[in-house]
Amino acid sequence: ELQLVESGGGLVHPGGSLRLSCAASGFTFSDFSANWVRQSPGKGLEWVSYMISGSDTIYYADSVKGRFTISRDNAQNSLYLQMNSLSDEDTALYYCAREGTPHALDIWGQGTMVTVSS
Amino acid sequence: DIQMTQSPSSLSASVGDRVTITCRASQSISGYLNWYQHKPGKAPKLLIYLASTLQTGVPSRFSGSGSGTDFTLTISSLQPEDFATYYCQQGYNSRAFGQGTKVEIK
Repeated sequence: ELQLVESGGGLVHPGGSLRLSCAASGFTFSDFSANWVRQSPGKGLEWVSYMISGSDTIYYADSVKGRFTISRDNAQNSLYLQMNSLSDEDTALYYCAREGTPHALDIWGQGTMVTVSS
Repeated sequence: DIQMTQSPSSLSASVGDRVTITCRASQSISGYLNWYQHKPGKAPKLLIYLASTLQTGVPSRFSGSGSGTDFTLTISSLQPEDFATYYCQQGYNSRAFGQGTKVEIK
């Protein structure tokens, strides 16, 4: 079964940091680009970051640029998101998603919740 | 950055209705436009990629069209399981989602 499982979410104080992980199984993770997408409570989907399979192309949304860092370990079949300088606006359910079809997100995890609160 | 604008933001429809959702990009994205369905508590689901190609397993009542800046998602005959929020997403330059269209029961 093709699967993505996120972990690492939790409660963090404003200004704090958190590292999210996404474990892939059922497919060769190194063959695919991957994204992080989030959904804040009551809001729509917001794309966060993208990394190509070979790690040499990375994009970030303006809202997280300079604070978040995407990375991957293809040997471990894993995608990561290092989040620094967190604010309450970063409170959201964070999904990782594979780009299996041309520039489209075809496999999604169930998400990990990040809550930024004092 | 490319901005994606969907309309309407929400709509009410009945089972059997034909539903159309539009998505406009702030600049040309060629055909790199995808559509997703999202239900509460579930992961988003890819419906259509490259503007008009139906993802495997998606019912044929869903269809997509458009190119350049203007795109459309059509549900030919709305079914009870189709009540959800729908998002467009561009994959041409970086990535971005539209703000979503919530399809509710009339």
